[in-house]
Amino acid sequence: SQTIHQWPATLVQPVGSPLSLECTVEGTSNPNLYWYRQAAGRGLQLLFYSVGIGQISSEVPQNLSASRPQDRQFILSSKKLLLSDSGFYLCAWSGKGETQYFGPGTRLLVL
Amino acid sequence: EDQVTQSPEALRLQEGESSSLNCSYTVSGLRGLFWYRQDPGKGPEFLFTLYSAGEEKEKERLKATLTKKESFLHITAPKPEDSATYLCAVQAGTYKYIFGTGTRLKVLA
Repeated sequence: SQTIHQWPATLVQPVGSPLSLECTVEGTSNPNLYWYRQAAGRGLQLLFYSVGIGQISSEVPQNLSASRPQDRQFILSSKKLLLSDSGFYLCAWSGKGETQYFGPGTRLLVL
Repeated sequence: EDQVTQSPEALRLQEGESSSLNCSYTVSGLRGLFWYRQDPGKGPEFLFTLYSAGEEKEKERLKATLTKKESFLHITAPKPEDSATYLCAVQAGTYKYIFGTGTRLKVLA
């Protein structure tokens, strides 16, 4: 069966520091991968998606970037964090079907 | 504009008191409607995918239905462990998913 991992689970970072969140998927090949941010009281906001290695599409211009160095690895990065980057970050995957499956999430607090 | 609206925002039920959650959507071409359960501090857990009006799916005490404009998540005889936030999403494009803000369900023993 397929499993999706995210780490770290929780992160506290100062403003202006860099960021790297990692997501890996097991048990499937060539998945579509997604990064979402979930703010309190708001729906999930799609940040990036990837259909293959090195292929990244950005949905919202912002302080963040994404990379896919391997088939089942998806990384969310920032060079300098802003206070507004705080939130709950979710990675998801989908196969040839449309259903998305989510990871456990990373809680990011920027101080 | 593609949009998903969930109601109510919050719902408190007594154990065994059945109810329904609503998900209204506006999308130019529905490719799928999804229901998820999310516990505090965790990622959404997949429940159901519905593709066409009239379709129904069941899992334990949950039943999801779909019309051309809305979906309902029916909860029959809920238990305290059913307490969670329930999210609805629609697929509006190949890689475009629109999520509602969720219904926070609390089931009291």
